[in-house]
Amino acid sequence: AQKVTQAQTEISVVEKEDVTLDCVYETRDTTYYLFWYKQPPSGELVFLIRRNSFDEQNEISGRYSWNFQKSTSSFNFTITASQVVDSAVYFCALSEALSNQFYFGTGTSLTVIP
Amino acid sequence: EPEVTQTPSHQVTQMGQEVILRCVPISNHLYFYWYRQILGQKVEFLVSFYNNEISEKSEIFDDQFSVERPDGSNFTLKIRSTKLEDSAMYFCASNPLAGGGGSYNEQFFGPGTRLTVL
Repeated sequence: AQKVTQAQTEISVVEKEDVTLDCVYETRDTTYYLFWYKQPPSGELVFLIRRNSFDEQNEISGRYSWNFQKSTSSFNFTITASQVVDSAVYFCALSEALSNQFYFGTGTSLTVIP
Repeated sequence: EPEVTQTPSHQVTQMGQEVILRCVPISNHLYFYWYRQILGQKVEFLVSFYNNEISEKSEIFDDQFSVERPDGSNFTLKIRSTKLEDSAMYFCASNPLAGGGGSYNEQFFGPGTRLTVL
């Protein structure tokens, strides 16, 4: 079973539109960590955010915001006023406290059209 | 800011050849990892390494793979006899803390090595 599900394979938006990338996770651990990474065409993984399971506060960083809801096991990522430079593949990942490995979702490829 | 480095950035090899991918984790980190990403697919865990031994490994990490920390700075992934399906991006990562017991898990990823097997 997938521990991290990103149901949206590809999304295209027009520049300046808002876009939300969905992430649903599955774990039995009470302590876990959730992450979002951006992978531009150059291939590296760019860390965006980390959330631990005890902190359900939503976070905003510039045009980025994250909505963590334990009740629905979701950790969604919203980009406000999208820009062409936001075009990339975005990965959601889960790390459980008792195992250090990361479980990545299959990624969402975002294309922002100018 | 300290970062994980990987060399080479791109490696091309013939099927059946041995390759060694090199990583220099952040200096005070204790846990090291290798991940693989086949083109267009998700990032998959291969192996974690702590205290000079393998801590966890996935099904992908078969007898063709090995890891080593030959000195105090490098962390290597060796593929003994490469196959076409080993073509992928390989990411190294490191973590400052040991795992388990609610420790704070953040992994710092290197830029990756793209391996092409012909």
